[in-house]
Amino acid sequence: TQLLEQSPQFLSIQEGENLTVYCNSSSVFSSLQWYRQEPGEGPVLLVTVVTGGEVKKLKRLTFQFGDARKDSSLHITAAQPGDTGLYLCAGLRKAAGNKLTFGGGTRVLVKP
Amino acid sequence: EADIYQTPRYLVIGTGKKITLECSQTMGHDKMYWYQQDPGMELHLIHYSYGVNSTEKGDLSSESTVSRIRTEHFPLTLESARPSHTSQYLCASRRGGTGELFFGEGSRLTVL
Repeated sequence: TQLLEQSPQFLSIQEGENLTVYCNSSSVFSSLQWYRQEPGEGPVLLVTVVTGGEVKKLKRLTFQFGDARKDSSLHITAAQPGDTGLYLCAGLRKAAGNKLTFGGGTRVLVKP
Repeated sequence: EADIYQTPRYLVIGTGKKITLECSQTMGHDKMYWYQQDPGMELHLIHYSYGVNSTEKGDLSSESTVSRIRTEHFPLTLESARPSHTSQYLCASRRGGTGELFFGEGSRLTVL
């Protein structure tokens, strides 16, 4: 069992549709990061959320950190083919020596 | 744009060969990491370093070794490559504070 569970593992949608990716844990994190990785490239940081209940928006992407800092979600509005990629959440735990733990990833395919 | 570089980007070699994957960063980060990733799948931490002359094994057992003689350089070596080593290897360095990871573009290794 992974410390950070992402769901769904794979998502295929049409351009213009909305989607939500979830990142869940039973552990508390001091902060949580979301990365996007395109094929053949390394992951790139999208956002870091730090405060419980925090909501951050990045154009059509909305990130939320759970009140208890155990879970997070990423919502994409009106998805575009350029949103295609692997989305990874990563949590930072002070109790584990500030170790960063990655979820298993969600592969998103947006078809034109 | 992240200043972290990996070479080679692609490598195809025969079984039993010794290989070294290079990783360099110009951001002065103390913490550096090596992850192994099959295409579109989760990241597995195989090695990390918190500074010069410091190296530790990660969560996934690996037959590779690493060294950290200079802050900016964190090479990974396989003494005798096998087909089971075929994978993508991602190097990253980490900013202090929020802990953002900066990834290289990856080295895709194929062992025949």
